[in-house]
Amino acid sequence: GQNIDQPTEMTATEGAIVQINCTYQTSGFNGLFWYQQHAGEAPTFLSYNVLDGLEEKGRFSSFLSRSKGYSYLLLKELQMKDSASYLCAPMDSNYQLIWGAGTKLIIKP
Amino acid sequence: GAVVSQHPSWVICKSGTSVKIECRSLDFQATTMFWYRQFPKQSLMLMATSNEGSKATYEQGVEKDKFLINHASLTLSTLTVTSAHPEDSSFYICSARRRDRDSSEQYFGPGTRLTVT
Repeated sequence: GQNIDQPTEMTATEGAIVQINCTYQTSGFNGLFWYQQHAGEAPTFLSYNVLDGLEEKGRFSSFLSRSKGYSYLLLKELQMKDSASYLCAPMDSNYQLIWGAGTKLIIKP
Repeated sequence: GAVVSQHPSWVICKSGTSVKIECRSLDFQATTMFWYRQFPKQSLMLMATSNEGSKATYEQGVEKDKFLINHASLTLSTLTVTSAHPEDSSFYICSARRRDRDSSEQYFGPGTRLTVT
């Protein structure tokens, strides 16, 4: 079967760094996406990894290890507006995104 | 670029009526459009995948006669919820994949919140 495992909720302090881990099992693999979703809104694209390693994009970085079925999203210099759900979505052999429930990130001042 | 719009952004309808939701790619042509449904505090659930000019592919458990999808052009897909019931109340989100790029990224519309009374 296909499965995504992320922590349900995390709390961090404004200005700090947080790492959101994701492990996955899919039928085939065509890359992994991270999306941000604020409450009541649609997801917005953050990153896409298809090869192993770290992709850095401003305050956000995403890491992928295909052999371990593992990815993480690293958020630096946290701001209050980063409070949202973060969705890890691998793409299977049919190019379908597999969605988990996401990680709700709470930023405290 | 890569903007997707949805209309309406929210709708309230009476039980038994039908509601049409439009999804448009504003500045690109979409090879494929996806329709998702999301209940509060739950993950996105793919309902169907549609390619322009062909019939939509529905996920298991999604009634194709209840959720009618028409992908009339490379920039427009519509989802019609027929004979809506209160349990159909949800957040409906479309996404689109670009035709002109070798990318698997999906661009999401802002979503449509449907409330059936």
